[in-house]
Amino acid sequence: EAQVTQNPRYLITVTGKKLTVTCSQNMNHEYMSWYRQDPGLGLRQIYYSMNVEVTDKGDVPEGYKVSRKEKRNFPLILESPSPNQTSLYFCASSDHQGGQPQHFGDGTRLSIL
Amino acid sequence: KQEVTQIPAALSVPEGENLVLNCSFTDSAIYNLQWFRQDPGKGLTSLLLIQSSQREQTSGRLNASLDKSSGRSTLYIAASQPGDSATYLCAVPHSLNTPLVFGKGTRLSVIA
Repeated sequence: EAQVTQNPRYLITVTGKKLTVTCSQNMNHEYMSWYRQDPGLGLRQIYYSMNVEVTDKGDVPEGYKVSRKEKRNFPLILESPSPNQTSLYFCASSDHQGGQPQHFGDGTRLSIL
Repeated sequence: KQEVTQIPAALSVPEGENLVLNCSFTDSAIYNLQWFRQDPGKGLTSLLLIQSSQREQTSGRLNASLDKSSGRSTLYIAASQPGDSATYLCAVPHSLNTPLVFGKGTRLSVIA
């Protein structure tokens, strides 16, 4: 089954404790991206990657890092999480950004205390 | 900067009604437009993608139209069902490899 898998689905942690949210897709897609969703602000893109070793900033990249060492994986790293990064995070993939529908994971709800 | 607006923010209809959801965007130089559905606690599911050269796309009871020159798209849902209850979002990229800009969605409730 074609899918985008995120882990963990839920995480409560404390300020400053480094964390990684993993994202993996089994569709051999080139394009992957991370979004955060906040009430009243909607979905905003954090980072995206057009292929292995190619990453670029989205609209709200501050406080986040990503890497794309393999085509199927695109982890999101919070080196020093802060409470304003409490949010619902989604990973997505597609054959390429514009021409094909994007497939989304089920989301990761992060709470930073 | 591209801005996407969806009206109404919430909509409640009785089962069986036909309904229209609206999406407008400020910059008409879009590559395509995509409609998604989001169920509570879930990710987004792509419903329809309309390329900039197209006027509409259909999938089952769903029909999406695109008028680039006026910066508008509509999602028409025929014979609505309680299972259609969800939040519907539209999104546009400027070009092939630019970020998607999302509207804030329309929360639809179909009452049995």
